[in-house]
Amino acid sequence: DAGVTQSPTHLIKTRGQQVTLRCSPISGHKSVSWYQQVLGQGPQFIFQYYEKEERGRGNFPDRFSARQFPNYSSELNVNALLLGDSALYLCASSPGGYEQFFGPGTRLTVL
Amino acid sequence: EDKVVQSPLSLVVHEGDTVTLNCSYEVTNFRSLLWYKQEKKAPTFLFMLTSSGIEKKSGRLSSILDKKELSSILNITATQTGDSAIYLCAVGTGNNAGNMLTFGGGTRLMVKP
Repeated sequence: DAGVTQSPTHLIKTRGQQVTLRCSPISGHKSVSWYQQVLGQGPQFIFQYYEKEERGRGNFPDRFSARQFPNYSSELNVNALLLGDSALYLCASSPGGYEQFFGPGTRLTVL
Repeated sequence: EDKVVQSPLSLVVHEGDTVTLNCSYEVTNFRSLLWYKQEKKAPTFLFMLTSSGIEKKSGRLSSILDKKELSSILNITATQTGDSAIYLCAVGTGNNAGNMLTFGGGTRLMVKP
């Protein structure tokens, strides 16, 4: 079975630009969560979506937004990029409980 | 504010050694505690512990949840170089309407031949 997939793998942007990251969950999983992992730290929760509705939001500014589509895939959008947004962005899918399975991540570099 | 703390920050051992990694937490609405192994990018799921399942074992790895002490340990016996990785502890909070994981900073384990 295919695991969680994310695209793109790497991304380089400049300050002020906007970025969209994509995630496809494991087949049959209806919940998708997004995490930001800065180098040397543990992942930090950004959003959780379940059945296309936002079910949780972490302590991130409004520049961060997300949505989930009818096929349960998800997009994370970040506007007005700052240098501090450089990180590994991880998507995790879940069948509905607390067990979450992570994708390979998108490495975002903001110059 | 929910908080998860892991210790030690890093650890260097030799193959065959046994290691114990620690995780303590202070959270509201505790639901579960999870351990992950992160080698390059994606954290790989190891265990999930809950009030109804406080001890898990898989091969050389085992984990125990102490709800009284608000902590957990991850034991790795007969370590191998392939065990070298960052081990992440995460606590699941929330309810059926939504849940999230709060992660600790991780323990970096290096196993030397």
